[in-house]
Amino acid sequence: SSELTQGPTVSVALGQTVRITCQGDSLRTYYASWYQQKPGQAPVLVIYGQNNRPSGIPDRFSGSSSGNTASLTITGAQAEDEADYYCNSRDNRGNGVFGGGTKVTVL
Amino acid sequence: QVQLVQSGAEVKKPGASVKVSCKASGYTFTGYYIHWVRQAPGQGLEWMGRINPNSGGTNYAQKFQGRVTMTRDASISTAYMDVSSLISGDTAVYYCARDRSGSYSFDSWGQGTLVTVSS
Repeated sequence: SSELTQGPTVSVALGQTVRITCQGDSLRTYYASWYQQKPGQAPVLVIYGQNNRPSGIPDRFSGSSSGNTASLTITGAQAEDEADYYCNSRDNRGNGVFGGGTKVTVL
Repeated sequence: QVQLVQSGAEVKKPGASVKVSCKASGYTFTGYYIHWVRQAPGQGLEWMGRINPNSGGTNYAQKFQGRVTMTRDASISTAYMDVSSLISGDTAVYYCARDRSGSYSFDSWGQGTLVTVSS
């Protein structure tokens, strides 16, 4: 299967830590990437590969992977981190796939 | 800086076709795959396919096979996506995105093109 499963919503208190997960068989073979999307804007890559951040992404964002599960952790969440977060990867046939997205609310 | 600039919003009738363009700048166009992703109103991201700007080779999601055509004109650093036989369910924002290393990590995105299908 090339599906990726994410929980729909998660909330975190300002300054606390939140972890978002993404599950799928393809993650046993391929790394997940993570994107942040705010309303009315295009997605922004925040994590790729084993645990890499593009230039300009704060170091409070980190990624990890184990088995069929990839995780994105925000350590010390800020108000500006409130957004939708999507994971994506690929399958063995070269098809891309996205998770359904997780809405992060910062309280 | 890397930039992808897409064509403007479109309104189409059911059964029509639409062609969206994506002009790249700030990098070697032929060195990076371009992927197309869409997002229906209030919904998540959906991968549609990719094109190799160097060879023109394509991969399409099975759902869009036969209805989507991706092409490029390397001389003007522009990728195109043509969607035919439009239905109301194709109403969405369509994005092009650059694959940073062939690993399906998209490090630069176009601003999106809203395609509205309505009679």
